Amino acid sequence: AQSVTQLDSQVPVFEEAPVELRCNYSSSVSVYLFWYVQYPNQGLQLLLKYLSGSTLVESINGFEAEFNKSQTSFHLRKPSVHISDTAEYFCAVSITSGTYKYIFGTGTRLKVLA
Amino acid sequence: DTAVSQTPKYLVTQMGNDKSIKCEQNLGHDTMYWYKQDSKKFLKIMFSYNNKELIINETVPNRFSPKSPDKAHLNLHINSLELGDSAVYFCASSLLLAGATDEQFFGPGTRLTVL
Repeated sequence: AQSVTQLDSQVPVFEEAPVELRCNYSSSVSVYLFWYVQYPNQGLQLLLKYLSGSTLVESINGFEAEFNKSQTSFHLRKPSVHISDTAEYFCAVSITSGTYKYIFGTGTRLKVLA
Repeated sequence: DTAVSQTPKYLVTQMGNDKSIKCEQNLGHDTMYWYKQDSKKFLKIMFSYNNKELIINETVPNRFSPKSPDKAHLNLHINSLELGDSAVYFCASSLLLAGATDEQFFGPGTRLTVL
């Protein structure tokens, strides 16, 4: 069975500081990896995804994530956060065979402090 | 234009009632989903439909019945509401058949409160 673990339920960080949100997954088959962001009172939006190729993927708003197969991780990073980055961040995996569906992690609440 | 829309945004009702949540997507996608997000933000898939056909049916009580009149709509009907049904329900869609590589587009959510 597949699973996704986001160890940090909340991460407070000061504005302009770097941040890393951790995501580890478990799967016996190949997976695709995603990060979604949920701003307050909104639905989830795709932030970035890893399908194949370069293990480092970037979003348009400065976030990046690196796929590490040996450590089964897909951590999300940003070198300098803004107040507007305050949101809930969900890591998700999609298995590549059988019934396709996402498995979401439990989310990490990023709170950026002024 | 709203890509995935849900109505109502808020729903407050008594235990034992029957209620429906509607979802529509104007993206031309083939696959639609219902997710339940509990108070701890845990997000769990409930159903997936592709071109009006049920694809995924997770372990969900029979009181929940999805209905897809066409591929642009996926409604959720809940019978005999219970306190534990209180949650935020999200509709989503993706281009292909529960595509493994596909981005999913989420609606704004419906906050259901059962009293």
